[in-house]
Amino acid sequence: KNQVEQSPQSLIILEGKNCTLQCNYTVSPFSNLRWYKQDTGRGPVSLTIMTFSENTKSNGRYTATLDADTKQSSLHITASQLSDSASYICVVSATNAGKSTFGDGTTLTVKP
Amino acid sequence: DTGVSQDPRHKITKRGQNVTFRCDPISEHNRLYWYRQTLGQGPEFLTYFQNEAQLEKSRLLSDRFSAERPKGSFSTLEIQRTEQGDSAMYLCASSLTGSSNGELFFGEGSRLTVL
Repeated sequence: KNQVEQSPQSLIILEGKNCTLQCNYTVSPFSNLRWYKQDTGRGPVSLTIMTFSENTKSNGRYTATLDADTKQSSLHITASQLSDSASYICVVSATNAGKSTFGDGTTLTVKP
Repeated sequence: DTGVSQDPRHKITKRGQNVTFRCDPISEHNRLYWYRQTLGQGPEFLTYFQNEAQLEKSRLLSDRFSAERPKGSFSTLEIQRTEQGDSAMYLCASSLTGSSNGELFFGEGSRLTVL
């Protein structure tokens, strides 16, 4: 069964600090992995997309890594800002699959 | 704005009533997805369409739920005889097969509260 597990479930950090969110998956055959940011009451917005051959991708202060061998991904947020407070969802797609598998997300709270 | 739009954004209804949500995808996108999301959880897949064909339905989609995409453009999700357990955010997403690895573009969601 395709599954995506994210950790931690929630995280509180101080503004300006860095943090790393984890995603482990068992989706097979692997096609791509995406990280989404979802503000409270809003729809998810894509941050990064990585395919099998990519192991790092950055989008501003967000850097995602992918280890396809261990089936793990991380999202590193640098110099956090209050606006980073949101849920971060890991989404993994299998090749030729119509739908993707979603994690439950990590809720990040950045405090001043 | 040419993003995914959903209507209404919020719906409060009494148990037993029917509700319908509408989703307008990005115009050139051929795939359209419906998800349900409750607090603290990731989106749960309900169903998806490729053009006007409904290709997959989740077991979560009971016989009270029906979705259509009659002309391969906008879609509707109807919930009949609503129950309190139907209270959730209903998200619509669209994608274009063969482009950007099928990246999903989400709407802002329709929040349903069943009293």
